[in-house]
Amino acid sequence: KQEVTQIPAALSVPEGENLVLNCSFTDSAIYNLQWFRQDPGKGLTSLLLIQSSQREQTSGRLNASLDKSSGRSTLYIAASQPGDSATYLCAVRGYSTLTFGKGTMLLVSP
Amino acid sequence: GAVVSQHPSRVICKSGTSVKIECRSLDFQATTMFWYRQFPKQSLMLMATSNEGSKATYEQGVEKDKFLINHASLTLSTLTVTSAHPEDSSFYICSARPGLTNEQFFGPGTRLTVL
Repeated sequence: KQEVTQIPAALSVPEGENLVLNCSFTDSAIYNLQWFRQDPGKGLTSLLLIQSSQREQTSGRLNASLDKSSGRSTLYIAASQPGDSATYLCAVRGYSTLTFGKGTMLLVSP
Repeated sequence: GAVVSQHPSRVICKSGTSVKIECRSLDFQATTMFWYRQFPKQSLMLMATSNEGSKATYEQGVEKDKFLINHASLTLSTLTVTSAHPEDSSFYICSARPGLTNEQFFGPGTRLTVL
């Protein structure tokens, strides 16, 4: 059974810092990995989707990498802003299901 | 594109009543829809998967007679929580997958509070 772990569980940084969120998964037989953002009491916003054949994806200040063989992914956020404050979820897709981690709660202070 | 809506966004009900939550794909046809539940500070847990026109497949530990899922069309799925109890209070999120793609699109969620 796939297990997804996200470290750290919570992170607080001052505005402007670059930061890295980590995601690890136990079964490397995945189709893709996706990073989401969830604001309090809200649904999910997809940030980046990395196919299993890809090594990284970039969107604006966000860069996600994938090392399938070692079961790891990182989400890099450059020049963080208070508006980046949210919970970031990592999810991996296996044969038929999407398995989520518990998320990293990020707080960026002005 | 690829917008999924849920209604209602928030519902409060008395213990013992039933609550229906709707999930709609607004600009695509969703052959598969998923229902998740999320408790505070926990991750999303898949409850069931439904394909249009067929019975839903429930995850282990999810009572199919308590959580009724209907996927009657390619744009609508409903989740009915029957005889709701306070322990059913949670955030319910639906997701839809168009055609044979691997990407899922998520609704905004429904906050259910059972008194």
